[in-house]
Amino acid sequence: AQTVTQSQPEMSVQEAETVTLSCTYDTSENNYYLFWYKQPPSRQMILVIRQEAYKQQNATENRFSVNFQKAAKSFSLKISDSQLGDTAMYFCAFMKHVSAGNNRKLIWGLGTSLAVNP
Amino acid sequence: EAQVTQNPRYLITVTGKKLTVTCSQNMNHEYMSWYRQDPGLGLRQIYYSMNVEVTDKGDVPEGYKVSRKEKRNFPLILESPSPNQTSLYFCASSSGIPGQALLTDTQYFGPGTRLTVL
Repeated sequence: AQTVTQSQPEMSVQEAETVTLSCTYDTSENNYYLFWYKQPPSRQMILVIRQEAYKQQNATENRFSVNFQKAAKSFSLKISDSQLGDTAMYFCAFMKHVSAGNNRKLIWGLGTSLAVNP
Repeated sequence: EAQVTQNPRYLITVTGKKLTVTCSQNMNHEYMSWYRQDPGLGLRQIYYSMNVEVTDKGDVPEGYKVSRKEKRNFPLILESPSPNQTSLYFCASSSGIPGQALLTDTQYFGPGTRLTVL
């Protein structure tokens, strides 16, 4: 069974600085997908960034980027130029490759609560 | 606006009183899913549906029922709620179209339903 571990329950960063959130996972699958979701105080779950395992190039989305280390089964999220609106719970999630007609279940870490301080 | 809606957003009820949490999406998505989120346990999948009239159990289906009579709606039914079903519930949907790259098959989440069973 797949598991996702986020070892930092809480983190804080000063506005405009850079912060990195850690995520490790365990799987015997070779092809899979990794995601970072953001859950602000509104509780809405918002996709931040995604990565396909067979792609070696790290994904980037504006101020958000990942460091994907497949051999180490590590998928960290870097937030550059942190903004107050980045304050949220961040979840790392895993989805194994599925064929058509199969479950698109996400397996979640327990989250990292990030506070961006002014 | 593309969205997943859930109702109610908050519900306090008593043990044994049947309730339904509705979920509706306006994106013509094939795939829909329910998760519950609990402290220390993260998000866990309850049920999912690949298409109309096609549903299947997730990881924690006990005590829940679902139906998928129309593509847009996927209600979660608690026939006899118990206190251990107190949780935050999320509905999610994605296109689920066979052949679409899974990485781009973004799962959209509803705003969540906070359920308390006394």
